[in-house]
Amino acid sequence: SYEVTQPPSVSVSPGQTASITCSGDKLGNKYACWYQQKPGQSPVVVIYQDSKRPSGIPERFSGSNSGNTATLTISGTQAVDEADYYCQAWDSSTWVFGGGTKLTVL
Amino acid sequence: EVQLVESGGGLVQPGGSLTVSCSTSGFTLSHYEMHWVRQAPGKGLEWLSYISGSGSTIHYADSVKGRFTVSRDNAKNSLYLQMNRLRAEDTALYYCARARDGLDYWGQGTLVTVSS
Repeated sequence: SYEVTQPPSVSVSPGQTASITCSGDKLGNKYACWYQQKPGQSPVVVIYQDSKRPSGIPERFSGSNSGNTATLTISGTQAVDEADYYCQAWDSSTWVFGGGTKLTVL
Repeated sequence: EVQLVESGGGLVQPGGSLTVSCSTSGFTLSHYEMHWVRQAPGKGLEWLSYISGSGSTIHYADSVKGRFTVSRDNAKNSLYLQMNRLRAEDTALYYCARARDGLDYWGQGTLVTVSS
């Protein structure tokens, strides 16, 4: 079955750029989505179809997907961005989530 | 306002059955594909099931295939997940989610605990 892999944790200083990767075989040939989940809350989509941002999501969130890696980039990271982030892809009638990346803003 | 509200969770013994429901409002359910996703305590998200708007196309994760059954009643604005032969590892918060631009709306989840 298809799998995607994320680093367990990423740290970033306030105001800096955070990059979270998601790796999978030929992931660039599939659409990737990214979800943000804060403690005790349901997930929220921050990027869909690789790079599209839903209404209400700040412009500092962007995404790309090429080769075997999709990347979520948060520019000018703020303390409010501290959360778990999950990538999601679709392959052969199966949707899959990555294991999640805890973003720490310190 | 779009709302998804899961219900039906609870404590069930290993090997038992349970059906969780997702009541929707604020949109026409038949126009949307829907998913079930779960999250074990302290763990990540796990995709479980997909159902098309008409209910004619259904897919399952290998971990639940043959044990779980997804269905929908568009006239009642509701989605269901029937869970059989439950195991301890099925203990999780179960979410329903609407699919449009990614999974764009999620419920708050209903907790299923499998324990003797």
